[in-house]
Amino acid sequence: ILNVEQSPQSLHVQEGDSTNFTCSFPSSNFYALHWYRWETAKSPEALFVMTLNGDEKKKGRISATLNTKEGYSYLYIKGSQPEDSATYLCAFFLMNRDDKIIFGKGTRLHILP
Amino acid sequence: DGGITQSPKYLFRKEGQNVTLSCEQNLNHDAMYWYRQDPGQGLRLIYYSQIVNDFQKGDIAEGYSVSREKKESFPLTVTSAQKNPTAFYLCASTITHSTGGRYGYTFGSGTRLTVV
Repeated sequence: ILNVEQSPQSLHVQEGDSTNFTCSFPSSNFYALHWYRWETAKSPEALFVMTLNGDEKKKGRISATLNTKEGYSYLYIKGSQPEDSATYLCAFFLMNRDDKIIFGKGTRLHILP
Repeated sequence: DGGITQSPKYLFRKEGQNVTLSCEQNLNHDAMYWYRQDPGQGLRLIYYSQIVNDFQKGDIAEGYSVSREKKESFPLTVTSAQKNPTAFYLCASTITHSTGGRYGYTFGSGTRLTVV
């Protein structure tokens, strides 16, 4: 059974602090990994599409790394702001098959003022 | 603005009734998807469609039906055969990369279905 684990499930971070969380996925038959940011009552928004081992992507204060050989990706947020409060989802794509996309349960990030 | 529109936002259904959730996109995306989310679980794929007039079952298709008569529209019917339909439903679409891969998904804002 293919499993995508995100940890921690929930995280409280003081405004201004930096943080990171993990997405673990099967290391075989990797095709792509996506990160999404999902604010309450809104649509999930695509952050990063990662395909190559060693990929590092950045969008403002948010960045992500990818290690396909060991099966993990980290998402980093530098200098957390209240607007960063959201659930962060990762999705693992197996061999470019639309029916083989597995979402993690998400990491819920709360930024404390 | 381009995007995906799901309607309604909230839907109440009596047991034994079929109900249809709407999903429309004006992004010219070829592929569309329906996901279900239950508390404490990741998104699970119900059905997907890569081209008009064609669709495939996902992991939890039982009790659901779909159609794809137009590129822009992918409605989901929750039938009375679905044993536990109360959930949050998300529609998504994406475009195929020139290499055959997928770009990131664009999601709708979801429909919360409650059976009363």
